[in-house]
Amino acid sequence: KQEVTQIPAALSVPEGENLVLNCSFTDSAIYNLQWFRQDPGKGLTSLLLIQSSQREQTSGRLNASLDKSSGRSTLYIAASQPGDSATYLCAVPYGGSQGNLIFGKGTKLSVKP
Amino acid sequence: DTGVSQDPRHKITKRGQNVTFRCDPISEHNRLYWYRQTLGQGPEFLTYFQNEAQLEKSRLLSDRFSAERPKGSFSTLEIQRTEQGDSAMYLCASTQEDSSSYNEQFFGPGTRLTVL
Repeated sequence: KQEVTQIPAALSVPEGENLVLNCSFTDSAIYNLQWFRQDPGKGLTSLLLIQSSQREQTSGRLNASLDKSSGRSTLYIAASQPGDSATYLCAVPYGGSQGNLIFGKGTKLSVKP
Repeated sequence: DTGVSQDPRHKITKRGQNVTFRCDPISEHNRLYWYRQTLGQGPEFLTYFQNEAQLEKSRLLSDRFSAERPKGSFSTLEIQRTEQGDSAMYLCASTQEDSSSYNEQFFGPGTRLTVL
């Protein structure tokens, strides 16, 4: 059974810091891994999707890496801003590339001005 | 078409009432998912459709829940005889199934259900 864990559950940093969010999964036979952002009371915004054959993906100040063999992914946020404050979730598909997603509980990030 | 839409955004109902939610996926997407999210948790899978066919249902989807996607476009999720434990955010997502896509799922804004 696939389980996804995110550490830490919450993180508070001053503006301008670089930070890393962690995601681990128990079954390394994944097709891809997706990172999302969720603002309070809102839906999920897709940030990055890494295919199993890729090691990392970048979008602006965000960089996500994937190490399938160790069952880990990291989301690196450079030069954090107060607008980055949100909950960040990672997810992997179950049972195939188009399967339903299995989510972690998320990391709640607070960036203080 | 700018993304997945859901209606209503908020629903307050009394225990025992029936509620229905609607999801409009991204127009070219043939696969549609429903998830439920409670406070402090990640979303949990409920069911999904490939075009109009409902291909999988989670054990979370009790017999009080029913979902349809009659023409392979929009989908509805109905909860009958609501219970307080049904209070949650209901999220819809869609993706395009084809060999060239990355199978990235795109989510709607969600419907927040409160059962009194």
